[in-house]
Amino acid sequence: DAGVIQSPRHEVTEMGQEVTLRCKPISGHDYLFWYRQTMMRGLELLIYFNNNVPIDDSGMPEDRFSAKMPNASFSTLKIQPSEPRDSAVYFCASSLGRQGTGGYTFGSGTRLTVV
Amino acid sequence: GNSVTQMEGPVTLSEEAFLTINCTYTATGYPSLFWYVQYPGEGLQLLLKATKADDKGSNKGFEATYRKETTSFHLEKGSVQVSDSAVYFCALSDTGRRALTFGSGTRLQVQP
Repeated sequence: DAGVIQSPRHEVTEMGQEVTLRCKPISGHDYLFWYRQTMMRGLELLIYFNNNVPIDDSGMPEDRFSAKMPNASFSTLKIQPSEPRDSAVYFCASSLGRQGTGGYTFGSGTRLTVV
Repeated sequence: GNSVTQMEGPVTLSEEAFLTINCTYTATGYPSLFWYVQYPGEGLQLLLKATKADDKGSNKGFEATYRKETTSFHLEKGSVQVSDSAVYFCALSDTGRRALTFGSGTRLQVQP
C-alpha cells in the first residue's frame, strides 16, 4: 500500500480564496482524521470520520471550514474563504479502529500558506 | 477533558547519550498511551504504545512504561544516534469517542 496520500504537498493562496485539500486513506481503514499543525497550537484534531460518517467535528474552527468523505477512499477539507491565520500544515491520517491497532498512519501533510 | 503534557524542547544531546523525554497525562478512565515520531517534512509515525498500566512499549531501542500512579509515560533510549533527531509526540486515547489527543511535541537534536 502506498500509505495515506495527501495533495497538494504545498499550497499558496491569497486571502479570500477557496482552498481544497485532498486525502486518500489506506484501503481497509475505517477511520479518517484531519489534523492541523502550527507552531503556536501544536497538533489539533479538526474532524474525524468513521465509515465515511463524521463523528466529531468539534475541532473545526469555524464555518469557513468544511470536510467531506463521499466514499471510503477519498476525503476533502475545504476552507472558504481562506485567511492568513489558516496557514499551517494539515495532516490526514487513517486507522483501523478508533485507537488504531497499528497506530494512525499519517500522510505527509499539506503545507498551506495564505497571503 | 484529556490532556498530555510534554517537556519543552529542544533537547540537545551528543551521540550515544541517554535520552529521557517526559510525558504526563490527564484522562478519565484507563487510556492507551502512545509515542509518535515526526521526521522533517514527514507525517507522524507510531513509535510505540502501551494499553494498560505497567505495560512497557518498546521499538528501535526506545521504551516507555505506562505508570498509572504517576500518570506518566516517559520515553527513554539508552544510546541515541544522529538519525534519532526528530520531534517526538506523546498521545493518549481514552475509552470514549475522542480521537487521539497529542502533546505539543519535543524536538530532539542529536549531535555527532
